[in-house]
Amino acid sequence: GQSLEQPSEVTAVEGAIVQINCTYQTSGFYGLSWYQQHDGGAPTFLSYNALDGLEETGRFSSFLSRSDSYGYLLLQELQMKDSASYFCAVREDRDDKIIFGKGTRLHILP
Amino acid sequence: SAVISQKPSRDICQRGTSLTIQCQVDSQVTMMFWYRQQPGQSLTLIATANQGSEATYESGFVIDKFPISRPNLTFSTLTVSNMSPEDSSIYLCSVGLAGGLTSNEQFFGPGTRLTVL
Repeated sequence: GQSLEQPSEVTAVEGAIVQINCTYQTSGFYGLSWYQQHDGGAPTFLSYNALDGLEETGRFSSFLSRSDSYGYLLLQELQMKDSASYFCAVREDRDDKIIFGKGTRLHILP
Repeated sequence: SAVISQKPSRDICQRGTSLTIQCQVDSQVTMMFWYRQQPGQSLTLIATANQGSEATYESGFVIDKFPISRPNLTFSTLTVSNMSPEDSSIYLCSVGLAGGLTSNEQFFGPGTRLTVL
Protein backbone atom coordinates (compact mmCIF):
# COMPACT_ATOMS: atom_id res chain seq x y z
CA GLY A 1 0.00 0.00 0.00
CA GLN A 2 0.88 3.65 0.01
CA SER A 3 1.81 5.73 3.01
CA LEU A 4 3.28 9.17 3.43
CA GLU A 5 4.06 10.21 6.97
CA GLN A 6 4.64 13.75 8.16
CA PRO A 7 4.08 15.45 11.52
CA SER A 8 0.56 16.73 11.99
CA GLU A 9 1.64 20.03 13.55
CA VAL A 10 4.81 22.07 13.99
CA THR A 11 5.24 25.34 15.88
CA ALA A 12 8.09 27.78 15.32
CA VAL A 13 8.97 31.39 16.06
CA GLU A 14 9.00 34.17 13.51
CA GLY A 15 12.47 34.57 12.01
CA ALA A 16 13.52 31.03 12.92
CA ILE A 17 14.12 27.95 10.77
CA VAL A 18 11.81 24.94 10.68
CA GLN A 19 12.12 21.53 9.03
CA ILE A 20 9.12 19.40 8.06
CA ASN A 21 9.96 15.75 7.47
CA CYS A 22 8.24 13.28 5.17
CA THR A 23 8.79 9.54 4.91
CA TYR A 24 7.06 7.52 2.25
CA GLN A 25 6.26 3.98 1.21
CA THR A 26 4.78 3.76 -2.27
CA SER A 27 4.60 1.20 -5.03
CA GLY A 28 6.71 3.39 -7.31
CA PHE A 29 8.71 6.56 -6.96
CA TYR A 30 9.59 9.23 -9.48
CA GLY A 31 9.81 12.26 -7.22
CA LEU A 32 8.70 14.13 -4.12
CA SER A 33 6.80 17.42 -4.20
CA TRP A 34 5.87 19.94 -1.54
CA TYR A 35 2.73 22.08 -1.54
CA GLN A 36 1.57 24.93 0.66
CA GLN A 37 -2.07 25.54 1.44
CA HIS A 38 -3.46 28.48 3.37
CA ASP A 39 -6.85 28.19 5.05
CA GLY A 40 -9.57 28.48 2.46
CA GLY A 41 -7.10 28.44 -0.40
CA ALA A 42 -5.95 25.99 -3.01
CA PRO A 43 -2.64 24.14 -2.72
CA THR A 44 0.29 25.88 -4.37
CA PHE A 45 3.44 24.19 -5.57
CA LEU A 46 6.68 24.81 -3.67
CA SER A 47 9.25 22.32 -4.92
CA TYR A 48 9.96 19.00 -6.58
CA ASN A 49 12.89 16.62 -6.03
CA ALA A 50 13.48 13.80 -8.48
CA LEU A 51 17.09 13.18 -7.48
CA ASP A 52 18.88 12.98 -4.16
CA GLY A 53 20.05 16.23 -2.70
CA LEU A 54 18.97 19.70 -1.80
CA GLU A 55 16.94 22.07 -3.98
CA GLU A 56 16.82 25.71 -2.92
CA THR A 57 14.23 28.28 -3.90
CA GLY A 58 14.55 31.49 -1.94
CA ARG A 59 13.70 30.92 1.72
CA PHE A 60 12.48 27.38 1.01
CA SER A 61 14.66 24.32 0.43
CA SER A 62 13.71 20.72 -0.12
CA PHE A 63 15.80 17.62 0.36
CA LEU A 64 15.42 14.06 -0.87
CA SER A 65 17.11 10.78 0.00
CA ARG A 66 15.71 8.04 -2.22
CA SER A 67 17.61 5.30 -0.41
CA ASP A 68 15.99 6.34 2.88
CA SER A 69 12.55 7.07 1.35
CA TYR A 70 12.79 10.40 3.12
CA GLY A 71 12.58 14.06 2.36
CA TYR A 72 12.14 17.33 4.13
CA LEU A 73 11.09 20.89 3.53
CA LEU A 74 13.19 23.59 5.18
CA LEU A 75 11.74 27.03 5.71
CA GLN A 76 14.13 29.80 6.74
CA GLU A 77 13.54 33.29 8.08
CA LEU A 78 10.00 32.37 8.97
CA GLN A 79 7.33 34.97 8.43
CA MET A 80 3.81 35.08 9.79
CA LYS A 81 2.49 34.54 6.26
CA ASP A 82 4.16 31.11 6.27
CA SER A 83 1.48 29.90 8.67
CA ALA A 84 -0.24 27.27 6.54
CA SER A 85 -0.49 23.56 5.93
CA TYR A 86 2.35 21.87 4.07
CA PHE A 87 1.88 18.64 2.15
CA CYS A 88 4.45 16.28 0.77
CA ALA A 89 3.33 14.36 -2.30
CA VAL A 90 4.81 11.44 -4.21
CA ARG A 91 4.80 10.98 -7.95
CA GLU A 92 4.64 7.22 -8.40
CA ASP A 93 5.10 6.91 -12.15
CA ARG A 94 5.72 8.86 -15.34
CA ASP A 95 2.21 10.31 -15.25
CA ASP A 96 1.71 13.60 -13.45
CA LYS A 97 -0.50 11.94 -10.86
CA ILE A 98 0.62 12.54 -7.26
CA ILE A 99 -0.43 11.12 -3.91
CA PHE A 100 -0.57 13.53 -0.97
CA GLY A 101 0.55 13.06 2.60
CA LYS A 102 -1.73 14.03 5.47
CA GLY A 103 -0.19 17.47 5.81
CA THR A 104 1.64 19.42 8.50
CA ARG A 105 0.02 22.42 10.06
CA LEU A 106 2.71 25.07 10.69
CA HIS A 107 2.02 27.60 13.45
CA ILE A 108 4.25 30.67 13.63
CA LEU A 109 4.56 32.54 16.89
CA PRO A 110 5.53 36.24 16.95
CA SER B 1 1.64 28.18 -15.53
CA ALA B 2 -2.05 27.45 -15.75
CA VAL B 3 -5.11 29.32 -14.52
CA ILE B 4 -8.01 27.15 -13.48
CA SER B 5 -11.56 28.12 -12.71
CA GLN B 6 -14.27 26.02 -11.13
CA LYS B 7 -18.02 26.36 -11.02
CA PRO B 8 -19.84 26.51 -8.71
CA SER B 9 -17.61 27.84 -5.95
CA ARG B 10 -19.98 26.42 -3.37
CA ASP B 11 -23.36 24.76 -3.16
CA ILE B 12 -25.77 23.35 -0.62
CA CYS B 13 -27.63 20.31 -1.90
CA GLN B 14 -30.27 17.92 -0.71
CA ARG B 15 -29.61 14.27 -0.06
CA GLY B 16 -30.26 12.08 -3.10
CA THR B 17 -29.61 14.78 -5.69
CA SER B 18 -26.62 15.21 -8.00
CA LEU B 19 -24.25 18.10 -8.59
CA THR B 20 -21.99 18.67 -11.58
CA ILE B 21 -18.80 20.63 -11.02
CA GLN B 22 -17.08 22.29 -13.96
CA CYS B 23 -13.36 22.85 -14.36
CA GLN B 24 -11.94 25.16 -17.03
CA VAL B 25 -8.23 25.59 -17.80
CA ASP B 26 -6.69 28.45 -19.77
CA SER B 27 -4.39 26.14 -21.73
CA GLN B 28 -4.58 22.70 -23.31
CA VAL B 29 -3.56 19.90 -20.97
CA THR B 30 -3.50 16.16 -21.39
CA MET B 31 -4.37 15.11 -17.87
CA MET B 32 -6.74 16.65 -15.37
CA PHE B 33 -7.18 15.42 -11.83
CA TRP B 34 -10.09 15.53 -9.43
CA TYR B 35 -9.48 15.60 -5.67
CA ARG B 36 -11.62 15.67 -2.57
CA GLN B 37 -10.55 17.41 0.63
CA GLN B 38 -12.35 17.44 3.93
CA PRO B 39 -11.66 20.62 5.94
CA GLY B 40 -8.37 20.27 7.77
CA GLN B 41 -7.56 17.01 5.99
CA SER B 42 -5.39 15.90 3.13
CA LEU B 43 -6.27 15.76 -0.55
CA THR B 44 -7.59 12.44 -1.79
CA LEU B 45 -7.36 11.73 -5.50
CA ILE B 46 -10.69 10.67 -6.96
CA ALA B 47 -9.77 10.13 -10.61
CA THR B 48 -7.60 11.14 -13.53
CA ALA B 49 -9.41 12.48 -16.58
CA ASN B 50 -7.70 12.03 -19.93
CA GLN B 51 -9.14 13.59 -23.04
CA GLY B 52 -10.46 10.97 -25.41
CA SER B 53 -10.55 8.08 -22.98
CA GLU B 54 -12.38 6.90 -19.91
CA ALA B 55 -11.36 8.40 -16.59
CA THR B 56 -9.18 6.29 -14.31
CA TYR B 57 -10.58 5.99 -10.79
CA GLU B 58 -8.65 5.47 -7.58
CA SER B 59 -9.49 2.76 -5.11
CA GLY B 60 -12.71 3.52 -3.31
CA PHE B 61 -14.17 5.69 -6.07
CA VAL B 62 -16.45 4.42 -8.83
CA ILE B 63 -17.78 5.85 -12.05
CA ASP B 64 -21.43 5.44 -11.08
CA LYS B 65 -20.92 7.71 -8.09
CA PHE B 66 -18.48 10.17 -9.67
CA PRO B 67 -18.97 10.25 -13.45
CA ILE B 68 -16.44 12.42 -15.22
CA SER B 69 -16.50 14.01 -18.63
CA ARG B 70 -13.52 15.32 -20.57
CA PRO B 71 -14.83 16.64 -23.87
CA ASN B 72 -11.71 18.62 -24.83
CA LEU B 73 -8.25 19.58 -23.64
CA THR B 74 -9.36 22.56 -21.55
CA PHE B 75 -12.49 21.37 -19.78
CA SER B 76 -13.76 18.63 -17.48
CA THR B 77 -16.74 17.97 -15.28
CA LEU B 78 -17.16 15.85 -12.16
CA THR B 79 -20.64 14.82 -11.07
CA VAL B 80 -21.33 13.79 -7.49
CA SER B 81 -24.32 11.49 -7.82
CA ASN B 82 -27.03 10.47 -5.35
CA MET B 83 -25.41 12.61 -2.68
CA SER B 84 -25.35 11.90 1.03
CA PRO B 85 -24.00 14.06 3.88
CA GLU B 86 -20.76 12.04 3.71
CA ASP B 87 -20.10 13.66 0.32
CA SER B 88 -19.83 17.08 1.95
CA SER B 89 -16.33 18.20 1.09
CA ILE B 90 -14.24 20.51 -1.03
CA TYR B 91 -13.72 19.22 -4.57
CA LEU B 92 -10.69 20.46 -6.47
CA CYS B 93 -9.50 19.96 -9.99
CA SER B 94 -5.88 20.22 -10.95
CA VAL B 95 -3.66 19.97 -13.99
CA GLY B 96 -0.03 19.14 -14.54
CA LEU B 97 1.94 20.81 -17.28
CA ALA B 98 4.07 18.01 -18.66
CA GLY B 99 7.48 18.90 -17.37
CA GLY B 100 9.05 15.55 -17.90
CA LEU B 101 11.01 13.79 -15.23
CA THR B 102 12.56 16.87 -13.62
CA SER B 103 9.39 18.81 -12.98
CA ASN B 104 6.01 17.86 -11.61
CA GLU B 105 4.19 21.07 -10.78
CA GLN B 106 0.44 20.84 -10.50
CA PHE B 107 -1.92 23.79 -10.56
CA PHE B 108 -5.14 23.70 -8.62
CA GLY B 109 -8.48 25.30 -9.11
CA PRO B 110 -10.03 27.28 -6.23
CA GLY B 111 -12.26 24.37 -5.25
CA THR B 112 -15.98 23.76 -4.92
CA ARG B 113 -17.29 23.61 -1.38
CA LEU B 114 -20.18 21.16 -1.27
CA THR B 115 -22.56 20.76 1.66
CA VAL B 116 -25.13 17.98 1.55
CA LEU B 117 -28.07 18.20 3.93
